[in-house]
Amino acid sequence: DQQVKQNSPSLSVQEGRISILNCDYTNSMFDYFLWYKKYPAEGPTFLISISSIKDKNEDGRFTVFLNKSAKHLSLHIVPSQPGDSAVYFCAASYSSNTGKLIFGQGTTLQVKP
Amino acid sequence: EPEVTQTPSHQVTQMGQEVILRCVPISNHLYFYWYRQILGQKVEFLVSFYNNEISEKSEIFDDQFSVERPDGSNFTLKIRSTKLEDSAMYFCASSSRDRPTYEQYFGPGTRLTVT
Repeated sequence: DQQVKQNSPSLSVQEGRISILNCDYTNSMFDYFLWYKKYPAEGPTFLISISSIKDKNEDGRFTVFLNKSAKHLSLHIVPSQPGDSAVYFCAASYSSNTGKLIFGQGTTLQVKP
Repeated sequence: EPEVTQTPSHQVTQMGQEVILRCVPISNHLYFYWYRQILGQKVEFLVSFYNNEISEKSEIFDDQFSVERPDGSNFTLKIRSTKLEDSAMYFCASSSRDRPTYEQYFGPGTRLTVT
């Protein structure tokens, strides 16, 4: 079941530069998308979300873009900081159901000082 | 800031034994979830719980699994007869499901090791 895919297992960027993490989905019923950050030995931490009625949502250094026609979303982190180094998970849900989240495989981001 | 807590942080058990994983969701949340992550794999949904009953469960959540909210604060996951393949990180999550956002807040997880 690959309804949500993150095709890049890892990404390395320099401190201060932009990090772009990508996510694709196949189920057109999804209408809510979320990004979580996860450090080792911790639970996923909610970062930012977007409803399918929007194409962009911004919160500080984090911006999520949604392209419904391409079934693609991306997370931009600007500027990247060493503390952003973690695993980032994309997740999707549909508002008519129980709120079950379907996660991608995750992308490990390393921000080098 | 309110947070989801889970105990124990690590549980080691022998195959065939029963385990109970405990969670205290955020106090004003109404929707509760269990997920698991097998090492190196994605986080997978197990079950959702609302109004004292299961609202949805995955194929993983078979008869060996059960959930309960025994009082106003705890939410538990029981595995009746553990198997080696149940070894994973188990995450509890809760949500208020206020529109228009549906963020779920996760606990730190319980690492279950079945030997």
